Amino acid sequence: ETGVTQTPRHLVMGMTNKKSLKCEQHLGHNAMYWYKQSAKKPLELMFVYSLEERVENNSVPSRFSPECPNSSHLFLHLHTLQPEDSALYLCASSQAIADAYEQYFGPGTRLTVT
Amino acid sequence: KNQVEQSPQSLIILEGKNCTLQCNYTVSPFSNLRWYKQDTGRGPVSLTIMTFSENTKSNGRYTATLDADTKQSSLHITASQLSDSASYICVVSAGGNNRKLIWGLGTSLAVNP
Repeated sequence: ETGVTQTPRHLVMGMTNKKSLKCEQHLGHNAMYWYKQSAKKPLELMFVYSLEERVENNSVPSRFSPECPNSSHLFLHLHTLQPEDSALYLCASSQAIADAYEQYFGPGTRLTVT
Repeated sequence: KNQVEQSPQSLIILEGKNCTLQCNYTVSPFSNLRWYKQDTGRGPVSLTIMTFSENTKSNGRYTATLDADTKQSSLHITASQLSDSASYICVVSAGGNNRKLIWGLGTSLAVNP
């Protein structure tokens, strides 16, 4: 275990549903990340939070809405998704956002949009 | 354009054999290079991280090398085990104010008995 947990592990949702992904880190880290991993594509960074403040948003559609209520928890709220949003969504944390710090990943949520 | 290319795309070896995975990058400015192992259905796990001044680093049966002049890295796996079956991803950190991780597509390794 890496100290980063994600729930649910699998999610199937229709295009009109609203759901949320949850991430929790038990490492005392100050930075948290959401990534999207699609087949035959490199990992795509979606959002970065440092000390609960969003510091990066990489042109992600508004149907994805992140929330970081405290430094241990990170959510990704989903609504009106498209089939091409089906992917593995990974959460990660690091001690700080400087690139020297290692990122620790959760097991991911496998999302299928029907 | 910052890019990380890995080869081969996939590899099948027999248990106990050695193998070497390659990573070429065009990332500037360079900060560090990481190798991750990702088991199917799991998140990536860091194996090594190397800065510009390091040209080799080991983690058990995994040994990574870095040639910053040619912008190449390799990951050598010794005496492979069935549990080594996974995707191995090379990631290069673009330094400076960019502070961005450039991810490769990974090499899918299958170790057969």
